[in-house]
Amino acid sequence: EVQLLESGGGLVQPGGSLRLSCAASGFTFSSYWMSWVRQAPGKGLEWVANIKEDGSDKYHADSVKGRFTISRDNARNSLYLQMNSLRAEDTAVYYCAREAVGTASAFNIWGQGTTVVVSS
Amino acid sequence: DIQMTQSPSSLSASLGDRVTITCQASQDISRSLNWYQQKPGKAPKLLIYDASNLEAGVPSRFSGSGSGTDFTFTISSLQPEDFATYYCQRYGTFGQGTKVDIK
Repeated sequence: EVQLLESGGGLVQPGGSLRLSCAASGFTFSSYWMSWVRQAPGKGLEWVANIKEDGSDKYHADSVKGRFTISRDNARNSLYLQMNSLRAEDTAVYYCAREAVGTASAFNIWGQGTTVVVSS
Repeated sequence: DIQMTQSPSSLSASLGDRVTITCQASQDISRSLNWYQQKPGKAPKLLIYDASNLEAGVPSRFSGSGSGTDFTFTISSLQPEDFATYYCQRYGTFGQGTKVDIK
């Protein structure tokens, strides 16, 4: 079964750091671009970052640039999001998502999400 | 940056109704547009990719059309399980979402 499973969320103080992980299974992880997408409470979806199949290219939303870093380990079938200098507005459910090949970044597989709360 | 304007932000409809949601791009994006359904507490689900292609396993009552700057998502006959929020998306940009609830 094709599956993504996020972990690493939790409560962190403003200015703190957190590392999210996403474990992939059931497909050839190294063949796909991967993304992180977040959703603040009661709000819409916001793309956060994505990374090329081999990790050689990566892009981050302006809202997180310089604070968050996406990475991957294809040997471990895992995607990561290192989040530093966290702010209250980073509070959200964070989803990892697989981008379908040959589409306009259609996210055809999603994890269940992991919740990050930034609060003192 | 290309902006996506989705409308309406919410709508009320009855079972069996035809429902239409629109998404407008700030510039020509060809057919590079996807549509998702999200239910409360759940991850989004891809329904339509590249403007009009139905994702595998998605019921045929869902459809998409359009190209350039104007796109339409349609549910031909609303079913109980269709009450949800719908989003359009192109690369790193999502529309604001449309909540479909019961009239």
